[in-house]
Amino acid sequence: DAGITQSPRYKITETGRQVTLMCHQTWSHSYMFWYRQDLGHGLRLIYYSAAADITDKGEVPDGYVVSRSKTENFPLTLESATRSQTSVYFCASTPLDLTDTQYFGPGTRLTVL
Amino acid sequence: AQKVTQVQTEISVVEKEDVTLDCVYETRDTTYYLFWYKQPPSGELVFLIRRNSFDEQNEISGRYSWNFQKSTSSFNFTITASQVVDSAVYFCALSSAGYALNFGKGTSLLVTP
Repeated sequence: DAGITQSPRYKITETGRQVTLMCHQTWSHSYMFWYRQDLGHGLRLIYYSAAADITDKGEVPDGYVVSRSKTENFPLTLESATRSQTSVYFCASTPLDLTDTQYFGPGTRLTVL
Repeated sequence: AQKVTQVQTEISVVEKEDVTLDCVYETRDTTYYLFWYKQPPSGELVFLIRRNSFDEQNEISGRYSWNFQKSTSSFNFTITASQVVDSAVYFCALSSAGYALNFGKGTSLLVTP
């Protein structure tokens, strides 16, 4: 049972480049989430999705784009990466609704040079 | 607006000591859910507990216990007889209908031999 996976686990890119972080879950959970984790800020929600083709902004959506064409995948794209987007990114999913327990992927450490 | 405050930023204890991590929350909703997650040095986020606002019973799971007090808007986490393996960052979080998980900034616990 793979659960929820993220790829790549580590990524180094340069300012201005586009980069896509992948998230895949095998549970058929309805909701999926993207968070970023930075020292001093804890985890902050970037975007979430209630179902395929339904997405909504979180606390810090600027500079990010998401899509969800299939229930199991929720890619996060940085269209033009900036140094301030250097962070650890976590994907999560939950079966029912926003109040349900979220289960997290292993994280992607992104460095923007 | 919802807010979660983790009172301690860092705690250091010696093995076998008891330690309590304090979490204070703010919400206008009458129905809400509180969570604790653990993030060990390896980086993954591990779910520990979910409680709803109508269940104020304390919870015990092995060496872990949680004290939920609506009167003081607190959901504190105690580790009894701490062990080195308990060293981690612990996050308290809050959600309610229409609101995704709102995390505190975390408490870093170091348990030394």
